[in-house]
Order: sequence, then structure tokens, then C-alpha cells
Amino acid sequence: DAGVIQSPRHEVTEMGQEVTLRCKPISGHNSLFWYRQTMMRGLELLIYFNNNVPIDDSGMPEDRFSAKMPNASFSTLKIQPSEPRDSAVYFCASSWTGPNQPQHFGDGTRLSIL
Amino acid sequence: AQSVTQPDIHITVSEGASLELRCNYSYGATPYLFWYVQSPGQGLQLLLKYFSGDTLVQGIKGFEAEFKRSQSSFNLRKPSVHWSDAAEYFCAVGANSGNTPLVFGKGTRLSVIA
Repeated sequence: DAGVIQSPRHEVTEMGQEVTLRCKPISGHNSLFWYRQTMMRGLELLIYFNNNVPIDDSGMPEDRFSAKMPNASFSTLKIQPSEPRDSAVYFCASSWTGPNQPQHFGDGTRLSIL
Repeated sequence: AQSVTQPDIHITVSEGASLELRCNYSYGATPYLFWYVQSPGQGLQLLLKYFSGDTLVQGIKGFEAEFKRSQSSFNLRKPSVHWSDAAEYFCAVGANSGNTPLVFGKGTRLSVIA
């Protein structure tokens, strides 16, 4: 079974550029989560979707961050314009909806903003 | 709202020694509890989960965890640690109602020495 697939695995770009991170959840899962992980702040939930609808985006740090889920098999996290402090590892996870459903994580995108 | 605390930021054990990683949760009812492991450069992988029933839960890679309601704890154990167990370990708690996502602890980094 294919797991959660994220692309790219690594991204290096200059400050001010637009960055788009992509995620393909596990087929059939109807909840999708975007996380950011840094040494200082640990694992932070940015936003999550149920059935392609954003439920809680209170973790999105600024208006520069946006996320979409146009269909059940694809989601994007966009940063525009990017800043050096956005450098982190961004994870996507998916699950069946429900509090007892474990989340399945992708391998992450390591983002470096110069 | 639920919360989880992992009191130990970093633990070092000798290969072959036993291991216990602590996790304390806060939630008004019986929670759903999870342990995840993150190896360097990878996403989080589910080790085990507790929903109800037997309070001693077996997971992958020889790990187990015990739910103790009286102590609000869900500690992870392994009788004999292997060098490949060196990783970051995350405890997570889910509410048993509603659709709120899992809440993760800040993680415990495990180092294994020869």
C-alpha cells in the first residue's frame, strides 16, 4: 500500500519566493493534516481538513500561508512570500475521520529559505 | 481539551538495557492514546495505540505501553534496546468524542550507546 506521499522532499529557495508543498494522502482517508516541525517549537499542527473542507486553520502562522484540498487525493500548502523563519520540515498526515484513528505521516518536505 | 506531557527531553541508554519513556496526559474521560517513532529524515510511524480493554498494549518493534488511569500515564517500554531504536518518540492523545485531531507531546529523543 502506498503511504502518504509528499513532494518535493527538499526545497531550497530564496526569501520572497513562492513555495508550494504537495501531499497525496492514503487512498480512502478523509482527514488530512499539515504540520510543521522545528527544533525550537517541535511539531505544530497548521491546518486540517475533513472531506476536503478546512476545519481548523488556527495553527497557520500568518496570511502568507495558505492550504487547499481541491479533491480527496491532493492537497497543497503554499507560502507566499517565503521568509527565512519558515525554514522547517513540513509534514502531511492522513487518517480516517475520528478521534481514535491514527494519523499516517509522509516523510516530510525539508524547506530551507535563504 | 486534551493535553500530553513527555517529561524527558532526552534519554540515553546502553544497548541491551531496558527502556521506559514517560507520557502523562490530561483529559476528562478515557482518552485514545498513541505512541509514534520518528527516525532521522523520516515521518512519524505508529508504534502502538490504546483505545480500551487490556491496559497493556503490544506494538511493533518489540515495544509495549501500559495505560494507568490512576496516574494519567501511558509509558512506553522495551525490555532490551537495540542501537536501531535511537530516534525521537512522540506520545499523542485523542479525545473520545468529536472530531478534534490528536494532540502530540514534544517528544523524547532516545540515544543508544554501546
